[in-house]
Amino acid sequence: GAVVSQHPSWVICKSGTSVKIECRSLDFQATTMFWYRQFPKQSLMLMATSNEGSKATYEQGVEKDKFLINHASLTLSTLTVTSAHPEDSSFYICSGGVRGEQYFGPGTRLTVT
Amino acid sequence: AQRVTQPEKLLSVFKGAPVELKCNYSYSGSPELFWYVQYSRQRLQLLLRHISRESIKGFTADLNKGETSFHLKKPFAQEEDSAMYYCALSKSGGSNYKLTFGKGTLLTVNP
Repeated sequence: GAVVSQHPSWVICKSGTSVKIECRSLDFQATTMFWYRQFPKQSLMLMATSNEGSKATYEQGVEKDKFLINHASLTLSTLTVTSAHPEDSSFYICSGGVRGEQYFGPGTRLTVT
Repeated sequence: AQRVTQPEKLLSVFKGAPVELKCNYSYSGSPELFWYVQYSRQRLQLLLRHISRESIKGFTADLNKGETSFHLKKPFAQEEDSAMYYCALSKSGGSNYKLTFGKGTLLTVNP
């Protein structure tokens, strides 16, 4: 199968600061990647679709100015949580698709203090 | 709007017992259905998809368009099957379509 990595695996930041999370497809190219948020013991909620070379598509209710997505290359998408607040603390997961299947990253645990 | 419903949040069975995890969906079109599994402290991974019609780790799922269901079944559960299971759907035709997940069912297989 294909591999998706995320960096960092966990991060703690202070309220008001910004945090960048990277999502890389290691052995395939992904024109589209997806960003999800997962609360403890809950399902994945799609936040946005990251499109290489163009603007991301955000799901209803997701603030595009708060969650900045950049998909600058076919193997890298980044999610920047701007002016983070404690309610942004969550598990963020990305995925990329190839050969008709989505492959998921291991996730990034964000804690905002 | 597309929706995936997993009515059971928790499911507990004994080793060797049959298990069925329910999944119903609503979608105006031709969807592609998936089951994903998340073992403890591991990433989400694909278990099976309806178009491949194969059995993975003894699990099978049949798409019933009349009942809009895609239930996951295994005749004899094993302890290593304990995990979180998510049913998901997307528009058919490729891997660049977004997935809609159900809320998940936590399966516990007791010894």
